[in-house]
Amino acid sequence: DTAVSQTPKYLVTQMGNDKSIKCEQNLGHDTMYWYKQDSKKFLKIMFSYNNKELIINETVPNRFSPKSPDKAHLNLHINSLELGDSAVYFCASSQDRRATSYGYTFGSGTRLTVV
Amino acid sequence: GENVEQHPSTLSVQEGDSAVIKCTYSDSASNYFPWYKQELGKRPQLIIDIRSNVGEKKDQRIAVTLNKTAKHFSLHITETQPEDSAVYFCPPVRYSTLTFGKGTMLLVSP
Repeated sequence: DTAVSQTPKYLVTQMGNDKSIKCEQNLGHDTMYWYKQDSKKFLKIMFSYNNKELIINETVPNRFSPKSPDKAHLNLHINSLELGDSAVYFCASSQDRRATSYGYTFGSGTRLTVV
Repeated sequence: GENVEQHPSTLSVQEGDSAVIKCTYSDSASNYFPWYKQELGKRPQLIIDIRSNVGEKKDQRIAVTLNKTAKHFSLHITETQPEDSAVYFCPPVRYSTLTFGKGTMLLVSP
């Protein structure tokens, strides 16, 4: 019944590795997002996809590459992980691109720790 | 895009007191004002929102008020309880997307 599900919930990895986080929503929403939340709780938009198309790409290093195989999935691949990538990554979805539509539904987050 | 300033950054109250968090925006064309709550270790969740054609909206102990002239909107929580302790966000809208930011950490002491 989970509306927006992310896997894994926790990820501990070494610097330099490549890792992926998966996100799936079963709400029939058109738009999906990735957010990064640092240790000070600052929640920052990274990417936005609408119907598999990239809409927003904030100033995020090229090491981060989102992929949307269909509108229900938005995965995040990170190459050459750095210590500063340690954070909680949230996936979210909304009915459509309009921020005023019925609110965002967030996944439970993936806590990434780079050692 | 919209710029929103949220104050205070932290707020400590005693259980039963009221809490008010204020957000000031710059774009007079803004027409949607949501509030999200994020409890420790949990996901952000929409708790209440208001549109520009409404001045106030209530849902039990929480309310949002909008002052379009002064360009600010506020979250009011009455009879606070320990479970109200969380980070609260009034995310600005940029490029049709909620961009979030720092939030206000509310701590309710028993």
